[in-house]
Amino acid sequence: DIVVTQSPDSLAVSLGERATINCKSSQSVLYNSNNKNYLAWYQQKPGQPPKVLIYWASTRKSGVPDRFSGSGSGTDFTLTISSLQAEDVAVYYCQQFYSTPYTFGQGTQLEIK
Amino acid sequence: EVQLVESGGGLVQPGGSLRLSCAASGFTFSNYWMHWVRQAPGKGLVWVSRINSDVSNTSYADSVKGRFTISRDNAKNTLYLQMNSLRAEDTAVYYCVFDYDPKGAAFDIWGQGTMVTVSS
Repeated sequence: DIVVTQSPDSLAVSLGERATINCKSSQSVLYNSNNKNYLAWYQQKPGQPPKVLIYWASTRKSGVPDRFSGSGSGTDFTLTISSLQAEDVAVYYCQQFYSTPYTFGQGTQLEIK
Repeated sequence: EVQLVESGGGLVQPGGSLRLSCAASGFTFSNYWMHWVRQAPGKGLVWVSRINSDVSNTSYADSVKGRFTISRDNAKNTLYLQMNSLRAEDTAVYYCVFDYDPKGAAFDIWGQGTMVTVSS
């Protein structure tokens, strides 16, 4: 099974500042046949199901604000929020779609400093 | 509107059984692979199981293999999860999910979830 590990577990950032969350997979999630990284990012607010932000590691889902961006390839990935807004307080998860079981990271709690 | 509505959750004793349902609407259900994901109270997301569109292939997390069975009825647009030999650690919100966007690979459609509590 592919193990997905996020860091940090929690993060406090001032409004308007940059937030960075890291995600590492125990093996590459890059499919050489199509050169795509099978890695997604989700945002979950209390009492709600998760919402997808990023897929293919760096493609922003339609409707997601452009302050959210994803980067990385192979085994190391990053979710960046360029200018933190109050509504971004949530738990963020990465997930690999390369092979079953489709494992998630443990989550990163993002708060306002 | 694309929608998933789970039902069937509740309180069950350890060792008991429960069958979850997920009613799908707003899309051609039979075209899509479907999944169950669970989340224990205050904990993270865990992928549970997957079934392909024509019911010929299923996959399970090791933690539920041999105890849970995923199935679907494409004529009724419904996904199921039969859960047997339930344990306290199966206590969670169970979400029905799938990858709807043909351009991406991610769970972009989620139901609201149904709560399963395993306790005596």
